[in-house]
Amino acid sequence: KQEVTQIPAALSVPEGENLVLNCSFTDSAIYNLQWFRQDPGKGLTSLLLIQSSQREQTSGRLNASLDKSSGRSTLYIAASQPGDSATYLCAVMGQNFVFGPGTRLSVLP
Amino acid sequence: KAGVTQTPRYLIKTRGQQVTLSCSPISGHRSVSWYQQTPGQGLQFLFEYFSETQRNKGNFPGRFSGRQFSNSRSEMNVSTLELGDSALYLCASSANGGGRGNTEAFFGQGTRLTVV
Repeated sequence: KQEVTQIPAALSVPEGENLVLNCSFTDSAIYNLQWFRQDPGKGLTSLLLIQSSQREQTSGRLNASLDKSSGRSTLYIAASQPGDSATYLCAVMGQNFVFGPGTRLSVLP
Repeated sequence: KAGVTQTPRYLIKTRGQQVTLSCSPISGHRSVSWYQQTPGQGLQFLFEYFSETQRNKGNFPGRFSGRQFSNSRSEMNVSTLELGDSALYLCASSANGGGRGNTEAFFGQGTRLTVV
C-alpha cells in the first residue's frame, strides 16, 4: 500500500527566502507525481506534474524534482512571497492519487 | 477553457438524509475521480469513473456511490448520512485518469458538506 509523507508539516519563513518542501513515498511504481497548493477552504491548484520518466520540472519560481528509486520528490520555491502562503500537497499517481498530509507554508511580509 | 465545476459549493444535511454532489469535468476529459478531505484523514480516494464506467474504487462503505453520464459529468451520492461524512468533497478531471499514464489532473473547488 502506497504511503506518502511530507516534511516539514509546517514552515514559516520571511519574505524573499528560498525554501524546499519534501515528499517521500514508499512504492516507486508510480505513473507520475503532482504538486498542488490548497488555500484554506478551497480546492487544489495544480503546480507541477512530473512524469515517471522525468527528473524535474520547472514553472516560474517553482522547481520540482523526482527520484523514483529513492521514493523522493522536492519542491523548491525561489524568492518566496506572502502570496505563496498555502498548504502544499504532493500526490503520487498509481491507479489513483495517494496524497501526502501537506506542508503548511506561511511567508511573512 | 472552463475548469472543473462542482455544485453545490456548500450543503447542510441532517443525519440519515441522502445527498447528491455534481462534478462537470474539463471539456474533453473522460476521467472523473472523487476524493474526500477531512482534517483527520486528509485526502482519500473514493472512486474513479471513465467513459461512464467505474474503473477504480477506494475503501469507503457502500453508502458512497457515483455515476458518470455520457457527457462525462459525474455525480456522487451519499445515503444515510452520518456525522463523520462531514467533509470537503473534491473531484478531479483528467484526460485519461489513473493507471493510464502521464496526464495532469485538475481539481474543482469542492463541495463542503456539513452533516448535523
